[in-house]
Amino acid sequence: DQQVKQNSPSLSVQEGRISILNCDYTNSMFDYFLWYKKYPAEGPTFLISISSIKDKNEDGRFTVFLNKSAKHLSLHIVPSQPGDSAVYFCAARASNFGNEKLTFGTGTRLTIIP
Amino acid sequence: KAGVTQTPRYLIKTRGQQVTLSCSPISGHRSVSWYQQTPGQGLQFLFEYFSETQRNKGNFPGRFSGRQFSNSRSEMNVSTLELGDSALYLCASSLPGNEGYTFGSGTRLTVV
Repeated sequence: DQQVKQNSPSLSVQEGRISILNCDYTNSMFDYFLWYKKYPAEGPTFLISISSIKDKNEDGRFTVFLNKSAKHLSLHIVPSQPGDSAVYFCAARASNFGNEKLTFGTGTRLTIIP
Repeated sequence: KAGVTQTPRYLIKTRGQQVTLSCSPISGHRSVSWYQQTPGQGLQFLFEYFSETQRNKGNFPGRFSGRQFSNSRSEMNVSTLELGDSALYLCASSLPGNEGYTFGSGTRLTVV
């Protein structure tokens, strides 16, 4: 069963506009959420994270929003740049001691149109 | 500092063979996790090692195994390869409680 879902396999956004990537989860034990970015032939790189005690975390052009009641999080990229074109993975973790396991979504391919 | 190093980068094997992949974590990182990435499936968790002990295991058959050495380097082994094992295998290391992994570039395994 897919506990972390990214329902949009792909997204195209004009350069300079806002990109919004969405992620839903089903496991109530998840309390830490991360976004990773992946280019072809490379491993994913960490982008931004959020703890369940917060509803927003911002880092430069990237902001992650968490709605716990809806079990939904989103990543906003503003303004979008051509270098942002990549596959974005949402991941979640239940932060009990000794558990480093991340559960990933299937990814959203973001294409920024110049 | 050096990142997570995975070797080899590419591998072609035939069905029925076995394969061993290697991962050297970032210095000081004691947790090493392995993931399989296939198109449309995202990253599927294989297992996690910490201080030479397997701490978590995903839903993969027993053909997939791993180990971790005292210097935190890790290997994963796949025996009796099947065509469906063709994937990108990613290793990641982390510090306990760290907010995220650092991934290696992966090993692209093709089974023919």
